[in-house]
Amino acid sequence: AQRVTQPEKLLSVFKGAPVELKCNYSYSGSPELFWYVQYSRQRLQLLLRHISRESIKGFTADLNKGETSFHLKKPFAQEEDSAMYYCALRGGSSNTGKLIFGQGTTLQVKP
Amino acid sequence: DAGVTQSPTHLIKTRGQQVTLRCSPKSGHDTVSWYQQALGQGPQFIFQYYEEEERQRGNFPDRFSGHQFPNYSSELNVNALLLGDSALYLCASSRRRGLTGANVLTFGAGSRLTVL
Repeated sequence: AQRVTQPEKLLSVFKGAPVELKCNYSYSGSPELFWYVQYSRQRLQLLLRHISRESIKGFTADLNKGETSFHLKKPFAQEEDSAMYYCALRGGSSNTGKLIFGQGTTLQVKP
Repeated sequence: DAGVTQSPTHLIKTRGQQVTLRCSPKSGHDTVSWYQQALGQGPQFIFQYYEEEERQRGNFPDRFSGHQFPNYSSELNVNALLLGDSALYLCASSRRRGLTGANVLTFGAGSRLTVL
């Protein structure tokens, strides 16, 4: 079965501290992994996708097929990073609109 | 570009009633997917529409149905509402073919349904 697990509901760090939001997935084929972010009172928006291999707002994520993980990392957290973060998986065709989302992790960056 | 627009933003219904939610995709997008997001949960896929047909469906009962119009806009209909249908309903659009990265989902702000 396809499943995405985000083990932490809340992650609280101080400004300037490193951040790692955990994401583990279950999928038998080659998945496409995403991180979506939702800032307060804003809509869900794409942060990054593994196939792009880019850094957005200082965040990076590496797909580890051996550990079936796609953890989101940032070396120095900023207060504006406070938001809800969702890890999502797309299996099968890249044209499918079906994403499997984790339950989300709230990142709280304290001053 | 207004992006993905959804209406209404909020609505309240009673058990047994029917509801219709509407979605206009982002300009240039031709595919619409619907998601249900219960409080404290991640979004769950309901179904996807392309070329006016349902192409893929998640684990939702037949009470959930949809439609896509020639202008790519879409409706989500839920019949015989249950208390458990209370949730945020998200519409996401994408482009099926074309530019690299065009098949990334763009989400609307959602319609919050409360069933009493």
